[in-house]
Amino acid sequence: GQQLNQSPQSMFIQEGEDVSMNCTSSSIFNTWLWYKQDPGEGPVLLIALYKAGELTSNGRLTAQFGITRKDSFLNISASIPSDVGIYFCAGRRSARQLTFGSGTQLTVLP
Amino acid sequence: DAGVIQSPRHEVTEMGQEVTLRCKPISGHDYLFWYRQTMMRGLELLIYFNNNVPIDDSGMPEDRFSAKMPNASFSTLKIQPSEPRDSAVYFCASSTVGQGGLAGELFFGEGSRLTVL
Repeated sequence: GQQLNQSPQSMFIQEGEDVSMNCTSSSIFNTWLWYKQDPGEGPVLLIALYKAGELTSNGRLTAQFGITRKDSFLNISASIPSDVGIYFCAGRRSARQLTFGSGTQLTVLP
Repeated sequence: DAGVIQSPRHEVTEMGQEVTLRCKPISGHDYLFWYRQTMMRGLELLIYFNNNVPIDDSGMPEDRFSAKMPNASFSTLKIQPSEPRDSAVYFCASSTVGQGGLAGELFFGEGSRLTVL
């Protein structure tokens, strides 16, 4: 079953607004990844985080690996219509493969 | 470069029929994963291979599901017999070796949407 709690489940925002979503877990993770899935497509990697406290940006996207190693957040600044989609966090613990969060459905209103 | 290629993109079949989903990973990738996505359960790992060898199939729902990887450029996921509750989008993903010898970042195919009537 799912070991990551991702929130919020969905968001409706105005174009130009900033967005924040996060993932938490009761377990420690060694890697955090953030993916975006467009309708009818597979998830695409946005940002990868490998060290506790790491803060990484990719254009308007910024993600952080929580210092406790049990959480991560993703921020999107100045949202645009093409940001619409489902955003997934994914974490890896020790030798295990990735566990995915339940996703955040983002809708950007014009 | 071509990404992960999956076929068919869509399949509609009747309960009891055999379904075969196909995947061609990115050339040079050592890991191949099969995921299932549903609204209720999200993305679930079914099975993954390393160098064509199945490593963990604990996510395969039941004996009706089987997966093979006869060579480094091809894998199949078979459901026999199929049931309506198998309806989902099935994703194949591949990766190179990452940190600590584990799989690195996953690259997903576009998925195969299966509907079992």
